[in-house]
Amino acid sequence: GAGVSQSPSNKVTEKGKDVELRCDPISGHTALYWYRQSLGQGLEFLIYFQGNSAPDKSGLPSDRFSAERTGGSVSTLTIQRTQQEDSAVYLCASSSTGTNSPLHFGNGTRLTVT
Amino acid sequence: GQNIDQPTEMTATEGAIVQINCTYQTSGFNGLFWYQQHAGEAPTFLSYNVLDGLEEKGRFSSFLSRSKGYSYLLLKELQMKDSASYLCAVLAGNTPLVFGKGTRLSVIA
Repeated sequence: GAGVSQSPSNKVTEKGKDVELRCDPISGHTALYWYRQSLGQGLEFLIYFQGNSAPDKSGLPSDRFSAERTGGSVSTLTIQRTQQEDSAVYLCASSSTGTNSPLHFGNGTRLTVT
Repeated sequence: GQNIDQPTEMTATEGAIVQINCTYQTSGFNGLFWYQQHAGEAPTFLSYNVLDGLEEKGRFSSFLSRSKGYSYLLLKELQMKDSASYLCAVLAGNTPLVFGKGTRLSVIA
């Protein structure tokens, strides 16, 4: 596709439920990132995939968060047993090579946990 | 870790020039990015500096001083559509990009 695609654009869920957020990166981009952005806060790094290397999971805030990237393309971020503090915009980005290439962001998924 | 500082908010007049500063402390510096983010939209790439000096791109310029841990984004001939948040982000070592909290710029008539 022309850009990074994320779905759903909005998700409202009840506390304690699991959610899955999807990211379809730009075709051919080997690097994929997940960030989250809370109101008035900066972008918080969550996880980074580069090619076939083991992902950098250092930003995941708890073991309720996990992500996978199948076939080097589409990625899914899963949040189990959601909490209200998980409410944020979850942004996915991809880049053509490694860390010094510009990131291209999707429009994000706005997650609201009630 | 990295520490990135930029002003929270700025206001400037249409047609004027504004400079948005960013200071950082890090080891293994590999480059600095500026992104623009309109409210409710995704961040979009503006500039990348890895060497000292000024990079000019149309109405936008970005400056870097590695020895001072300092960068600025300069916006000339401000337009109302430039009202947005401007995010400074630092690349260091092999870690993914770390973002500052952003500067919300309001352009007024």
